[in-house]
Amino acid sequence: KAGVTQTPRYLIKTRGQQVTLSCSPISGHRSVSWYQQTPGQGLQFLFEYFSETQRNKGNFPGRFSGRQFSNSRSEMNVSTLELGDSALYLCASSLEFGGHGEQFFGPGTRLTVL
Amino acid sequence: KNEVEQSPQNLTAQEGEFITINCSYSVGISALHWLQQHPGGGIVSLFMLSSGKKKHGRLIATINIQEKHSSLHITASHPRDSAVYICAVNRGGGADGLTFGKGTHLIIQP
Repeated sequence: KAGVTQTPRYLIKTRGQQVTLSCSPISGHRSVSWYQQTPGQGLQFLFEYFSETQRNKGNFPGRFSGRQFSNSRSEMNVSTLELGDSALYLCASSLEFGGHGEQFFGPGTRLTVL
Repeated sequence: KNEVEQSPQNLTAQEGEFITINCSYSVGISALHWLQQHPGGGIVSLFMLSSGKKKHGRLIATINIQEKHSSLHITASHPRDSAVYICAVNRGGGADGLTFGKGTHLIIQP
């Protein structure tokens, strides 16, 4: 079974731009969660989608948004990028939502904002 | 105070040693996850547990719900075990995503 894939793997943007990241879950998994990892804050939960519905949301500004398609693929969008948005963005898929199932992580997208 | 605290933050040991990493949490949970992150960023789920003990190869995870504490043990440690180990909790009710500890940076020297 193919693992979780994320595209692109690396991205460089400038302040004020917007970015869209993509995550393809393991086949059959309907839950996709997004996380931000920075050296200062560690791993933080962004949001979770299950069956095309946002189920949970972390404490991030509205510039961070996402969606999930009928094939469970998910996209995350960050608008009006700030320097502090530079981070590793990870997605994870699971059979169950709410962290009740084992999380399978993708390799991440490393975003650098200049 | 963080809801999930891990100790130690850094640990260097010799190959073959028995390793223990601790995780304490201050909220009610429905499940606790142990994750492993290698340099380069890839994260692998090691265990998900809500009670008792689980074992996989040389890795053992235990949880004490009453004491709000979990431990990850590595027996016969090997340099390939060098990684960051992260504890994460699910507060249950489906209302929140995972809350993470800051991680334990483990180095096993040959």
